[in-house]
Amino acid sequence: ILNVEQSPQSLHVQEGDSTNFTCSFPSSNFYALHWYRWETAKSPEALFVMTLNGDEKKKGRISATLNTKEGYSYLYIKGSQPEDSATYLCALWEAGNMLTFGGGTRLMVKP
Amino acid sequence: DGGITQSPKYLFRKEGQNVTLSCEQNLNHDAMYWYRQDPGQGLRLIYYSQIVNDFQKGDIAEGYSVSREKKESFPLTVTSAQKNPTAFYLCASSTPRTGWGETQYFGPGTRLLVL
Repeated sequence: ILNVEQSPQSLHVQEGDSTNFTCSFPSSNFYALHWYRWETAKSPEALFVMTLNGDEKKKGRISATLNTKEGYSYLYIKGSQPEDSATYLCALWEAGNMLTFGGGTRLMVKP
Repeated sequence: DGGITQSPKYLFRKEGQNVTLSCEQNLNHDAMYWYRQDPGQGLRLIYYSQIVNDFQKGDIAEGYSVSREKKESFPLTVTSAQKNPTAFYLCASSTPRTGWGETQYFGPGTRLLVL
């Protein structure tokens, strides 16, 4: 079983603050890294799928970077808004058709 | 609207009872997955299926069983052998694997509670 770790576990920020959190994973046999956002009472939704070292993806105020050699990905949120409050999950895709999820970072944005 | 439906939203199980959680998708996806979430933990894979009539165990398959008789449906049975079934269960689906993992689409989940 792969060890995918996310930090911090939870985060409280003020509206307008920019924030970032980390996903760490074993760097051997890397295929892809997924980021999902999971709002309370809703289904998880895909944000990004990243495959190449140095990849940077952006969706509105949210962006992510990937370093496959050292085994980490950062998710950044610029100018956090209350609607960004959610749990952010990263997941590593390995050979064998399985995603291994991290424990998630729970973000709470205070108005 | 295309999507994944799970039923019921809440399910209560008595000791020694088998219960079945439903998952249906109309996205025409070949692959389907079952995950379990416990408080403070990430999603853990129970079973997955890439094609009809075929499925594979995930990390925590003990005490669970599945079937995949139709492309649209992937029911999960929680058997009496699962000693700690209280959890939130999520079903997901995706298009066929290209080699680096397609985005997974999730259902709304079923919360299973033991009486």
